[in-house]
Amino acid sequence: QQQVKQSPQSLIVQKGGISIINCAYENTAFDYFPWYQQFPGKGPALLIAIRPDVSEKKEGRFTISFNKSAKQFSLHIMDSQPGDSATYFCAASTSGTYKYIFGTGTRLKVLA
Amino acid sequence: EAGVTQFPSHSVIEKGQTVTLRCDPISGHDNLYWYRRVMGKEIKFLLHFVKESKQDESGMPNNRFLAERTGGTYSTLKVQPAELEDSGVYFCASSRQGAEGYTFGSGTRLTVV
Repeated sequence: QQQVKQSPQSLIVQKGGISIINCAYENTAFDYFPWYQQFPGKGPALLIAIRPDVSEKKEGRFTISFNKSAKQFSLHIMDSQPGDSATYFCAASTSGTYKYIFGTGTRLKVLA
Repeated sequence: EAGVTQFPSHSVIEKGQTVTLRCDPISGHDNLYWYRRVMGKEIKFLLHFVKESKQDESGMPNNRFLAERTGGTYSTLKVQPAELEDSGVYFCASSRQGAEGYTFGSGTRLTVV
């Protein structure tokens, strides 16, 4: 059973555009929501994370928007660059468990 | 600080054979995790070690999979005998106790033919 649903599966954006990736979860016990970025041949790397006590978190060009009532969260990449081309995974976990439930990933391509 | 090291990076084996994957976590990281990604699907949890003890092995698919962590340092994941559905990328990750977020290795791509 897929507990974190991620969309879209793939995304093509022009350089300078905004990339938006969405995730929805079912388990209301989740309280930590990280995003991971993976380049080909590398492992996923933590990009940014949020807890449900805030609705938005921004780090540079990357922003997480969180909607607790809708059980949804999204990653926005502003001014997307070709170097942002990678696979992005959302995830969720419950404090104290250390186990992440990942989404299926979004392959982002930013055209130069 | 050296990252999480996994080897081999690729392995192609025949159905019925045995394969052992190895993971060297970041020094000082008590937590070690194994995950697997089958083509196009989510990265799925397999198990979690705290030092040498298995904290959670709820994601292990069946008893053909055996994970060990010798002396709380490196870990191995053995698949015996391998089946076609075991193909995928196996990731190892580690973290300090109490830390949020993992550091992943580059993964081992296992292909069973």
